[in-house]
Amino acid sequence: DAGVTQSPTHLIKTRGQQVTLRCSPISGHKSVSWYQQVLGQGPQFIFQYYEKEERGRGNFPDRFSARQFPNYSSELNVNALLLGDSALYLCASSLVLGQPQHFGDGTRLSIL
Amino acid sequence: DQQVKQNSPSLSVQEGRISILNCDYTNSMFDYFLWYKKYPAEGPTFLISISSIKDKNEDGRFTVFLNKSAKHLSLHIVPSQPGDSAVYFCAARLNYGGSQGNLIFGKGTKLSVKP
Repeated sequence: DAGVTQSPTHLIKTRGQQVTLRCSPISGHKSVSWYQQVLGQGPQFIFQYYEKEERGRGNFPDRFSARQFPNYSSELNVNALLLGDSALYLCASSLVLGQPQHFGDGTRLSIL
Repeated sequence: DQQVKQNSPSLSVQEGRISILNCDYTNSMFDYFLWYKKYPAEGPTFLISISSIKDKNEDGRFTVFLNKSAKHLSLHIVPSQPGDSAVYFCAARLNYGGSQGNLIFGKGTKLSVKP
C-alpha cells in the first residue's frame, strides 16, 4: 500500500509569492495534519483536518491556510512568502483522530 | 517555551549495547506519547507509543518507559544495530477540547550506532 505522498518534493520561490503544497493520505485515512520543520528543530504543528473540517490550528499567521477535499487529500497554501518560511513541510495522516500519525517525506520549500 | 524537551542533541552507542533516549515534558494535559525515527531525506517513521495511563510499552527491541510524576519518558533500544542510526523525535499529544491529535515534538536526538 502507498504511504503518504506529497508533491512537489522540492520548490523554490521568491519573497512575496504564493505556494500550494499537496498531500495524499494513506488509503482509508480520514485525518490529515500539516507540520513545518525548520533545520535543527522538531516538526511544528500547523493544521489538522478530519472529515474535511478543520480540527486544530497551530500558532501560525493567517498567511497559512489549508483545506481537505472529499477524497481526503489536502492542500496547504502559504501567501506572501517570507524568508523564514523556508522549511520542510510535512503532511501526516491517521485513520481517525487520535491514532498514530504516519508522515510523508515532505516538501522542501526554499525562499530566495 | 518548549513543552517537549530532548536535552541530548546526540548519542553514540556501540553495536549490540543498549541505547537510551530521554525526553522531558511540562504539560500535564498530554495524554499520549510517541517516538518517531527520521532518516535524512525521509519523513518521520512511527516507532512506538505509550498512553499516559501506562508506564511501559514494549515492541521487539524497542521499549518506552513513562514516569508521569517526573514528566519523563525514555526509549530503550536493545540491542542497538547500525541501522538504528537516525534522528529520534519524542512527541506528545494534546487531547482536550476540540483539539485531538495535535503532536508537539522535541528537537530530536541523533543516534549513531558504531559497528
